[in-house]
Order: sequence, then structure tokens, then C-alpha cells
Amino acid sequence: GQQVMQIPQYQHVQEGEDFTTYCNSSTTLSNIQWYKQRPGGHPVFLIQLVKSGEVKKQKRLTFQFGEAKKNSSLHITATQTTDVGTYFCAGPAGGNNRKLIWGLGTSLAVNP
Amino acid sequence: EPEVTQTPSHQVTQMGQEVILRCVPISNHLYFYWYRQILGQKVEFLVSFYNNEISEKSEIFDDQFSVERPDGSNFTLKIRSTKLEDSAMYFCASRAGTGGEQYFGPGTRLTVT
Repeated sequence: GQQVMQIPQYQHVQEGEDFTTYCNSSTTLSNIQWYKQRPGGHPVFLIQLVKSGEVKKQKRLTFQFGEAKKNSSLHITATQTTDVGTYFCAGPAGGNNRKLIWGLGTSLAVNP
Repeated sequence: EPEVTQTPSHQVTQMGQEVILRCVPISNHLYFYWYRQILGQKVEFLVSFYNNEISEKSEIFDDQFSVERPDGSNFTLKIRSTKLEDSAMYFCASRAGTGGEQYFGPGTRLTVT
């Protein structure tokens, strides 16, 4: 069945360092969504990418959707302690968002 | 800002008992979801609900699970006979229908003993 893989599973960085998490789907996606889950919290929507090759920025966060619409990345520049959490990518199964297939997530720890 | 609410925040039950987890989605949303997350693991899709019926369900969502929207505001997940492996955080989410963003509730932590 359709799978969404994410790497790395864990990442420890010093505050101020950059961070990147990568997401790969076994099938072409109509869109990809990114969510952040703080420790003990619930997933919170960050962004949705729809177009092939799309790049979107939110302050220090840069999101990319691959040309083949099978992979995506999230890059954080100059991490801060507030960036701590698990970042999940999720893609629709079937293309209509009725069911999202989630990656395992990348847990980010930031040392002050 | 509107938000999804869930009750209770924590439910402890004995194996074999029935539990009902409750959710109030955002009022003008049309699509509703239940997910579960075993501690430290990924978010797992259980079921989606639209127009008063299930639109998708996962392999996890077997005959022990059911969902209802009994009164136009609440959205419930029932587990008929809980098993130890049902222990997890259960999240409800809703979506407006335009775009993909899903809004998650704070979750119910279910502990089966």
C-alpha cells in the first residue's frame, strides 16, 4: 500500500544550527501537508504544498515539494528552542484528502 | 478562534469494557476524522466521516470501532470491547472542505488496564 517515509527519525541540534527533514512517498501525491506536534500536544497544521516544485516560506521555515510530487522537505534556518517538537508530513491517499497517510515524523531537539 | 474540543482528556478503562470518546468539531466543518497515536509513534488514520457516513476507514478500524454524529455537533468514537493494545492518544480532527488543513483537538488519552 501507499507509504510515506520520513528521515531522519530524530535530530539533535544546537540552537542556531539549521535543520532539515525529508519526506518521500511511494506514490505521486496531489498535495503534501506538514504538521508540527509539540511534546504532549496535538498536531498543528503548518502548510500545504500542491504544485510540482513549489517552495513556500514561513519565516525561518522553508518547505519544498519535489518536481515529481513524490518528495518534500522542511528546512528550518537558525533553530530556536521553540522549534522543538515532531514534524510530520502527510499525503492524501487517493488524492481527495479523505484519508491522510502520515510519515513517522522527525523529532527535533534543540540544545540551548 | 474556533477549535476542536475533546472529552474526556484521559480515560482509564478495564479490558473488555466499552468506551465512548467525544469530540466537538469546528461548527462549519464538513469532514471529520479520528486518529490514534501510540506514545512516541506516528499518527495513524482510523476513519473519516462526511455527510453522515463513513467515507474511509483503515485496517485498524474493525468491527470493535464505530463512529456517530448523533446531534449535528458531537462526533463520537466508540470502542465496544477494549483491548490492552487500544491504549493510545485518540485525536479528533475536522476540515472545512476547501483545502486540506485539518484542525486537531487536544486528544483523549485512553489507558486500558
